[in-house]
Amino acid sequence: QVQLQESGPGLVKPSQTLSLSCTVSGDSISRGSYSWSWIRQPAGKTLEWIGRMYSTGSINYNPSLESRVTMSRDTSKNQFSLKLSSVTAADTAVYYCARLGGTGVFDYWGQGTLVTVSS
Amino acid sequence: DIQMTQSPSSLSASVGDRVTLTCQASEDISNYLNWFQQKPGKAPKLLIHDASSLQTGVPSRFSGSGSGTNFTFSISSLQPEDFARYYCQQCKNLPITFGQGTRLETK
Repeated sequence: QVQLQESGPGLVKPSQTLSLSCTVSGDSISRGSYSWSWIRQPAGKTLEWIGRMYSTGSINYNPSLESRVTMSRDTSKNQFSLKLSSVTAADTAVYYCARLGGTGVFDYWGQGTLVTVSS
Repeated sequence: DIQMTQSPSSLSASVGDRVTLTCQASEDISNYLNWFQQKPGKAPKLLIHDASSLQTGVPSRFSGSGSGTNFTFSISSLQPEDFARYYCQQCKNLPITFGQGTRLETK
């Protein structure tokens, strides 16, 4: 059974960098045909895809966030990470990590972690 | 970006009812369309992928259809646990985008 678990600070100050990690069990982030994504959801709003990282290490970002987003990974920990710089209150959201299949299907999700941007 | 428009934004129904939700894409996405259910405080759950394929373990009362720009999602006989928010999502082009959701509430 594939499981994903987000971790990181729940409170970030404006203009600082949001940093989250996603630990994966039951699958390898460095093998196979899946990619690994970040998605966020502000309270009461819809979901926004942030980016994906393939098993090869190749990355795609949402152009709306690309200038502020960096995804990376630690294959020894089977973990991938998100950094979002220069945050504002508009970045306050629940952040999810998810596995993305080849046909664009998010089949496994983490439970989500709330990040609040506030001074 | 491909815009996904869901209707209605909210729907009131009763246990046992058949309900149908719609999702329209701003351009042709073939069958690269998925449906999710989300309950408060929980991650979305995949119900339908590739427009009409039922995800493993999902009850058969859920179904999806459509291709191109117009898609429908149906629940044949509403159960109490089905009251939730439902989202469509396209994966034809990057960036991946979601509809604004339909809130299904009890009448």
